Amino acid sequence: DFQMTQSPSTLSASVGDRVTITCRASRSVGIWVAWYQQRPGKAPKLLIYEASTLASGVPSRFSGGGLHTEFTLTISSLQPDDFATYYCQQYNGFPLSFGQGTKVEIK
Amino acid sequence: QVQLVESGGGLVKPGGSLRLSCVASGFTFSDYFMAWIRQAPGKGLEWVSYISGTGDTIFYAESVKGRFTISRDNARNSLFLHMDSLRAEDTAVYFCARELLGHRKLAQVWGQGTLVTVSS
Repeated sequence: DFQMTQSPSTLSASVGDRVTITCRASRSVGIWVAWYQQRPGKAPKLLIYEASTLASGVPSRFSGGGLHTEFTLTISSLQPDDFATYYCQQYNGFPLSFGQGTKVEIK
Repeated sequence: QVQLVESGGGLVKPGGSLRLSCVASGFTFSDYFMAWIRQAPGKGLEWVSYISGTGDTIFYAESVKGRFTISRDNARNSLFLHMDSLRAEDTAVYFCARELLGHRKLAQVWGQGTLVTVSS
């Protein structure tokens, strides 16, 4: 199985901050990583796929990077709408798996 | 607009059965892989099952294999998840999701979710 481990679990930040979330895979998943945002009580939203490709309609302050086992999601300037939980997902192999989530909260 | 609407969730006893439905609109349903993804209360996401547009390719997570059955009716733009032998650990919000076209293992469009509670 491919285990995905995110860090940190919780991140406290202010509007305007640059924040980075890390996702580590237990073995190489190539570039096959996606990131989702989930606001409380809502369904997740696809942000990034193939490690660094922005999904349609996603603001350019979001960016992704990485390869093989280490991946990052960066928000260049945190906005009020961005306080949410973020999940990485690997889709290199089965079972498809998500990280445990990183909650971005207001400092 | 593109929309997915789930129904069929509720309270069921351990060992019981339930059938979830998802009605799609705003896109050509038969062109897309569809999936069920669940989220236990206060927990993370788990990919449960997916099915190809024609229904000939199906995947199940090990945790539900042999107990859950995914199916679709393209004439009615509908996706289903039949759940048997339900356990307490199946308690979750179940989301219906549509692939990002050409990326069958990614969920681009999501429904609002339907809550399944397994408890005596």
